[in-house]
Amino acid sequence: RKEVEQDPGPFNVPEGATVAFNCTYSNSASQSFFWYRQDCRKEPKLLMSVYSSGNEDGRFTAQLNRASQYISLLIRDSKLSDSATYLCVVNTRDTGRRALTFGSGTRLQVQP
Amino acid sequence: ETGVTQTPRHLVMGMTNKKSLKCEQHLGHNAMYWYKQSAKKPLELMFVYNFKEQTENNSVPSRFSPECPNSSHLFLHLHTLQPEDSALYLCASSQQLAGGRDTQYFGPGTRLTVL
Repeated sequence: RKEVEQDPGPFNVPEGATVAFNCTYSNSASQSFFWYRQDCRKEPKLLMSVYSSGNEDGRFTAQLNRASQYISLLIRDSKLSDSATYLCVVNTRDTGRRALTFGSGTRLQVQP
Repeated sequence: ETGVTQTPRHLVMGMTNKKSLKCEQHLGHNAMYWYKQSAKKPLELMFVYNFKEQTENNSVPSRFSPECPNSSHLFLHLHTLQPEDSALYLCASSQQLAGGRDTQYFGPGTRLTVL
């Protein structure tokens, strides 16, 4: 089983739509969670951290469910500029290893 | 943005060549990382350095050799690579070794093609 699993998509949605991505992680010792965004042929950039109580940043809402070991990202009122790959990232301190584990990403294409 | 820079941006090399990738961070961070990103695969962590000391080698073949002369610079020396090593190589840095909510900042990457 992959450490961090995401639906690769693509999710094709019209402008203004609401879209949600889920991500599951396998290590229950995982401590911190993030969503990164990666545009085509560019480097990943932090979109938002994910807090236990859920958090919102403008049109973006992130949720964490520790019991079921999944993270979600909700994008409201999609813009063309939201088209990108969204990477689910988990930080696990395990057997001395302290680094981020990335999912393969979910591709979003927002259409006019 | 020029927080983390990488050179060259593109590199084509033969299997017998020796080349080096360079990464420099201008953020005053203490930890630096090399990642490999192949098509349709997640980012794979290769090496981690904290205060110039290597803290992790993620079972990377010896044809990849990292070097960290100081906290701001990181190199990846390449020799006798294979075509399957063609990928985007990303450097990242963070204030501290990845833990808590410390954000990693990525460079633009070097797109490597091995012929």
